[in-house]
Amino acid sequence: DTAVSQTPKYLVTQMGNDKSIKCEQNLGHDTMYWYKQDSKKFLKIMFSYNNKELIINETVPNRFSPKSPDKAHLNLHINSLELGDSAVYFCASSIPGQEYGYTFGSGTRLTVV
Amino acid sequence: GENVEQHPSTLSVQEGDSAVIKCTYSDSASNYFPWYKQELGKGPQLIIDIRSNVGEKKDQRIAVTLNKTAKHFSLHITETQPEDSAVYFCAASRGGSYIPTFGRGTSLIVHP
Repeated sequence: DTAVSQTPKYLVTQMGNDKSIKCEQNLGHDTMYWYKQDSKKFLKIMFSYNNKELIINETVPNRFSPKSPDKAHLNLHINSLELGDSAVYFCASSIPGQEYGYTFGSGTRLTVV
Repeated sequence: GENVEQHPSTLSVQEGDSAVIKCTYSDSASNYFPWYKQELGKGPQLIIDIRSNVGEKKDQRIAVTLNKTAKHFSLHITETQPEDSAVYFCAASRGGSYIPTFGRGTSLIVHP
């Protein structure tokens, strides 16, 4: 069983479109995250949710909106996609308290053309 | 905030050699230091971690050392194998509600 699963794995779309990436974890973790990994492999935190509540919202354009219908799901919706949004997006989860490791999903490669 | 520097950015070794990746951190309150391995096309995977009350931890061919005074920690891989080829990330965290800060990654290439 996949612990943190993301869909889709690949997403190619045109500028200006709206798209969503879904994430589900079956680990019973309370905290979920979205990270963006650029072409140089740098991992940048975007959002953190604890038990469906937004905890951290780093400097991310408001075109990005996370939605957590329950503590096992954290979806990412992106409006008006831009070329610079092209990256790999990772969902992750952890038990409460950052002193424990993350479990990452396998990533969604978003390409905006 | 925390700043984590990771070196080298690329490391190329022959199979059987040892590999060492080094990280420094700036926040003396950081107390948890995980290491992640990211294989091609996959998400980062936690491979080992160390807490600030421990100076060294070992798991088979991998080990991590921590020098709190100097604020640096290192990953050591012995008897490297081609399947060790991946991008490795270090991170530092204060624990609690603090998000860990990641290093910029080291691409390890093990030549057969």
